[in-house]
Amino acid sequence: DIQMTQSPSTLSASVGDRVTITCRASQNIGSWLAWYQQKPGRAPKLLIYKTSLLETGVPSRFSGSGSGTEFTLTITSLQPDDFATYHCQHYDTYPPGFGPGTKVDIK
Amino acid sequence: QLHLQESGPGLVKPSETLSLTCTVSGGSIKNSYYYWGWIRQSPGKGLACIGSIFYSGSSYYNPSLRSRVTMSVDTSKNQFFLNLRDVTAEDTAIYYCARHIKGPQGPGPSLYWGQGTPVTVSS
Repeated sequence: DIQMTQSPSTLSASVGDRVTITCRASQNIGSWLAWYQQKPGRAPKLLIYKTSLLETGVPSRFSGSGSGTEFTLTITSLQPDDFATYHCQHYDTYPPGFGPGTKVDIK
Repeated sequence: QLHLQESGPGLVKPSETLSLTCTVSGGSIKNSYYYWGWIRQSPGKGLACIGSIFYSGSSYYNPSLRSRVTMSVDTSKNQFFLNLRDVTAEDTAIYYCARHIKGPQGPGPSLYWGQGTPVTVSS
Protein backbone atom coordinates (compact mmCIF):
# COMPACT_ATOMS: atom_id res chain seq x y z
CA ASP A 1 0.00 0.00 0.00
CA ILE A 2 1.04 3.60 -0.55
CA GLN A 3 1.75 5.34 2.76
CA MET A 4 0.75 8.95 3.35
CA THR A 5 2.33 11.33 5.85
CA GLN A 6 1.39 14.87 6.81
CA SER A 7 3.23 17.71 8.47
CA PRO A 8 2.82 19.28 10.85
CA SER A 9 0.57 17.09 12.96
CA THR A 10 -0.73 20.17 14.78
CA LEU A 11 -0.63 23.78 13.71
CA SER A 12 -1.55 26.76 15.88
CA ALA A 13 -2.64 29.82 13.94
CA SER A 14 -4.65 33.02 14.19
CA VAL A 15 -7.53 34.31 12.10
CA GLY A 16 -6.10 35.93 8.98
CA ASP A 17 -2.94 33.80 8.92
CA ARG A 18 -1.72 32.00 5.82
CA VAL A 19 -1.55 28.29 6.57
CA THR A 20 0.26 25.57 4.64
CA ILE A 21 -0.04 21.82 5.25
CA THR A 22 2.22 19.30 3.52
CA CYS A 23 1.27 15.78 2.48
CA ARG A 24 3.80 13.24 1.20
CA ALA A 25 3.23 9.90 -0.52
CA SER A 26 5.60 6.94 -0.27
CA GLN A 27 5.56 6.62 -4.07
CA ASN A 28 4.53 8.60 -7.12
CA ILE A 29 0.74 9.15 -7.16
CA GLY A 30 0.66 11.63 -10.04
CA SER A 31 -2.06 14.15 -9.29
CA TRP A 32 -4.45 11.71 -7.64
CA LEU A 33 -4.72 13.47 -4.30
CA ALA A 34 -7.68 14.83 -2.35
CA TRP A 35 -7.99 17.00 0.75
CA TYR A 36 -10.72 16.83 3.37
CA GLN A 37 -11.71 19.00 6.30
CA GLN A 38 -13.11 17.31 9.39
CA LYS A 39 -14.68 18.83 12.48
CA PRO A 40 -15.30 16.94 15.73
CA GLY A 41 -18.22 14.54 15.53
CA ARG A 42 -18.68 15.10 11.80
CA ALA A 43 -17.79 13.17 8.66
CA PRO A 44 -14.93 14.48 6.53
CA LYS A 45 -15.85 17.12 3.96
CA LEU A 46 -14.20 16.96 0.53
CA LEU A 47 -12.42 20.23 -0.25
CA ILE A 48 -10.09 19.47 -3.17
CA TYR A 49 -9.61 16.59 -5.59
CA LYS A 50 -7.03 15.84 -8.27
CA THR A 51 -4.51 17.95 -6.32
CA SER A 52 -5.94 21.38 -7.11
CA LEU A 53 -9.60 21.18 -8.16
CA LEU A 54 -11.91 22.85 -5.65
CA GLU A 55 -15.14 21.05 -4.88
CA THR A 56 -18.24 23.16 -5.56
CA GLY A 57 -18.95 25.61 -2.76
CA VAL A 58 -15.47 25.50 -1.22
CA PRO A 59 -14.13 29.02 -0.58
CA SER A 60 -11.36 30.22 -2.87
CA ARG A 61 -9.05 30.83 0.10
CA PHE A 62 -8.36 27.07 -0.09
CA SER A 63 -5.93 25.86 -2.73
CA GLY A 64 -3.94 22.75 -3.46
CA SER A 65 -0.74 22.12 -5.36
CA GLY A 66 1.96 19.53 -5.98
CA SER A 67 2.51 16.35 -7.93
CA GLY A 68 4.24 13.03 -7.65
CA THR A 69 5.01 12.59 -3.97
CA GLU A 70 4.70 16.03 -2.38
CA PHE A 71 1.56 18.10 -2.07
CA THR A 72 0.38 21.15 -0.17
CA LEU A 73 -2.91 22.57 1.03
CA THR A 74 -2.87 26.33 1.54
CA ILE A 75 -5.45 28.49 3.29
CA THR A 76 -4.62 32.08 2.36
CA SER A 77 -6.49 33.85 5.17
CA LEU A 78 -7.63 31.58 7.96
CA GLN A 79 -11.24 32.10 9.02
CA PRO A 80 -12.93 31.03 12.29
CA ASP A 81 -14.76 28.24 10.44
CA ASP A 82 -11.44 26.77 9.25
CA PHE A 83 -10.26 25.50 12.64
CA ALA A 84 -10.50 21.76 12.03
CA THR A 85 -8.46 18.70 11.12
CA TYR A 86 -7.32 18.29 7.52
CA HIS A 87 -6.66 14.92 5.88
CA CYS A 88 -5.04 14.14 2.57
CA GLN A 89 -6.00 11.03 0.61
CA HIS A 90 -4.36 9.43 -2.41
CA TYR A 91 -6.48 7.49 -4.88
CA ASP A 92 -3.89 6.44 -7.41
CA THR A 93 -4.36 2.77 -6.60
CA TYR A 94 -6.64 0.72 -4.39
CA PRO A 95 -6.92 1.03 -1.44
CA PRO A 96 -7.05 4.83 -1.33
CA GLY A 97 -4.97 5.83 1.68
CA PHE A 98 -5.36 8.72 4.07
CA GLY A 99 -2.77 10.77 5.86
CA PRO A 100 -2.88 10.90 9.66
CA GLY A 101 -4.35 14.40 9.68
CA THR A 102 -3.23 17.91 10.62
CA LYS A 103 -5.14 19.68 13.36
CA VAL A 104 -5.38 23.45 12.92
CA ASP A 105 -6.18 25.08 16.23
CA ILE A 106 -6.37 28.57 17.61
CA LYS A 107 -3.10 30.18 18.71
CA GLN B 1 -29.57 16.12 -2.24
CA LEU B 2 -28.01 12.72 -1.73
CA HIS B 3 -28.23 11.34 1.77
CA LEU B 4 -26.55 8.25 3.23
CA GLN B 5 -27.47 6.71 6.56
CA GLU B 6 -25.66 3.92 8.37
CA SER B 7 -27.51 1.50 10.62
CA GLY B 8 -26.52 -1.48 12.72
CA PRO B 9 -25.57 -2.54 16.23
CA GLY B 10 -23.30 -0.29 18.23
CA LEU B 11 -21.84 -3.16 20.25
CA VAL B 12 -20.44 -6.41 18.90
CA LYS B 13 -18.78 -9.22 20.84
CA PRO B 14 -15.27 -10.37 19.98
CA SER B 15 -15.14 -13.11 17.32
CA GLU B 16 -18.65 -12.24 16.10
CA THR B 17 -19.66 -10.56 12.83
CA LEU B 18 -20.21 -6.83 12.49
CA SER B 19 -23.07 -6.14 10.08
CA LEU B 20 -23.91 -2.65 8.86
CA THR B 21 -26.40 -1.28 6.36
CA CYS B 22 -26.16 1.95 4.40
CA THR B 23 -29.43 3.34 3.06
CA VAL B 24 -29.15 5.81 0.21
CA SER B 25 -31.83 8.41 -0.49
CA GLY B 26 -32.08 11.29 -2.92
CA GLY B 27 -30.41 9.35 -5.71
CA SER B 28 -30.13 5.86 -7.14
CA ILE B 29 -27.46 3.44 -6.09
CA LYS B 30 -27.73 2.03 -9.60
CA ASN B 31 -25.40 4.59 -11.13
CA SER B 32 -22.46 3.75 -13.35
CA TYR B 33 -20.46 6.82 -12.28
CA TYR B 34 -19.98 5.94 -8.63
CA TYR B 35 -18.77 3.33 -6.19
CA TRP B 36 -20.28 2.86 -2.75
CA GLY B 37 -17.94 2.25 0.12
CA TRP B 38 -17.23 1.83 3.79
CA ILE B 39 -14.57 3.83 5.62
CA ARG B 40 -13.75 3.62 9.29
CA GLN B 41 -12.00 5.95 11.70
CA SER B 42 -10.36 4.94 14.93
CA PRO B 43 -8.29 7.15 17.24
CA GLY B 44 -5.17 5.09 16.84
CA LYS B 45 -5.30 4.45 13.11
CA GLY B 46 -7.06 7.41 11.51
CA LEU B 47 -9.24 7.00 8.43
CA ALA B 48 -9.09 3.74 6.48
CA CYS B 49 -11.01 2.41 3.49
CA ILE B 50 -12.58 -0.97 4.18
CA GLY B 51 -14.07 -1.73 0.79
CA SER B 52 -16.13 -0.41 -2.09
CA ILE B 53 -18.78 -1.92 -4.32
CA PHE B 54 -20.33 -1.09 -7.66
CA TYR B 55 -24.08 -1.42 -8.17
CA SER B 56 -23.44 -4.52 -10.28
CA GLY B 57 -21.82 -6.17 -7.26
CA SER B 58 -18.18 -5.95 -8.34
CA SER B 59 -16.10 -4.98 -5.34
CA TYR B 60 -12.77 -3.81 -4.00
CA TYR B 61 -11.60 -4.80 -0.54
CA ASN B 62 -8.71 -3.44 1.45
CA PRO B 63 -6.08 -6.22 1.39
CA SER B 64 -5.55 -5.84 5.13
CA LEU B 65 -9.20 -6.81 5.76
CA ARG B 66 -10.03 -8.89 2.68
CA SER B 67 -10.12 -12.23 4.49
CA ARG B 68 -12.84 -10.94 6.85
CA VAL B 69 -14.93 -8.58 4.68
CA THR B 70 -17.93 -9.13 2.50
CA MET B 71 -19.91 -6.33 0.88
CA SER B 72 -23.16 -6.59 -1.02
CA VAL B 73 -25.75 -4.33 -2.61
CA ASP B 74 -29.54 -4.38 -2.94
CA THR B 75 -30.52 -2.02 -5.75
CA SER B 76 -34.24 -2.60 -5.15
CA LYS B 77 -33.91 -1.13 -1.65
CA ASN B 78 -31.15 1.36 -2.54
CA GLN B 79 -28.96 -0.14 0.16
CA PHE B 80 -25.51 -1.63 0.48
CA PHE B 81 -24.07 -3.72 3.25
CA LEU B 82 -20.92 -4.55 5.17
CA ASN B 83 -20.11 -7.77 6.98
CA LEU B 84 -16.86 -7.90 8.94
CA ARG B 85 -16.21 -11.30 10.47
CA ASP B 86 -14.25 -12.37 13.54
CA VAL B 87 -13.99 -8.89 15.02
CA THR B 88 -11.55 -7.87 17.72
CA ALA B 89 -11.09 -4.74 19.81
CA GLU B 90 -9.01 -3.33 16.96
CA ASP B 91 -12.19 -3.09 14.88
CA THR B 92 -13.68 -0.57 17.32
CA ALA B 93 -14.20 2.58 15.27
CA ILE B 94 -16.67 4.98 13.73
CA TYR B 95 -17.91 3.41 10.51
CA TYR B 96 -18.93 5.66 7.63
CA CYS B 97 -20.61 4.77 4.37
CA ALA B 98 -19.81 6.99 1.43
CA ARG B 99 -20.19 7.49 -2.30
CA HIS B 100 -16.93 7.49 -4.24
CA ILE B 101 -16.30 9.06 -7.60
CA LYS B 102 -14.26 6.93 -9.96
CA GLY B 103 -10.51 7.16 -9.69
CA PRO B 104 -7.85 6.00 -12.15
CA GLN B 105 -7.92 2.41 -10.84
CA GLY B 106 -11.15 2.09 -8.95
CA PRO B 107 -12.84 4.15 -6.23
CA GLY B 108 -11.71 7.73 -5.75
CA PRO B 109 -12.56 10.48 -3.26
CA SER B 110 -15.91 10.82 -1.52
CA LEU B 111 -18.12 13.88 -1.62
CA TYR B 112 -21.08 12.30 0.12
CA TRP B 113 -20.75 10.58 3.50
CA GLY B 114 -23.13 9.22 6.08
CA GLN B 115 -23.00 10.71 9.56
CA GLY B 116 -21.06 7.71 10.85
CA THR B 117 -22.02 5.04 13.33
CA PRO B 118 -19.82 4.14 16.32
CA VAL B 119 -19.12 0.46 16.79
CA THR B 120 -17.50 -0.97 19.89
CA VAL B 121 -16.14 -4.50 20.06
CA SER B 122 -16.36 -5.74 23.62
CA SER B 123 -17.67 -8.69 25.56
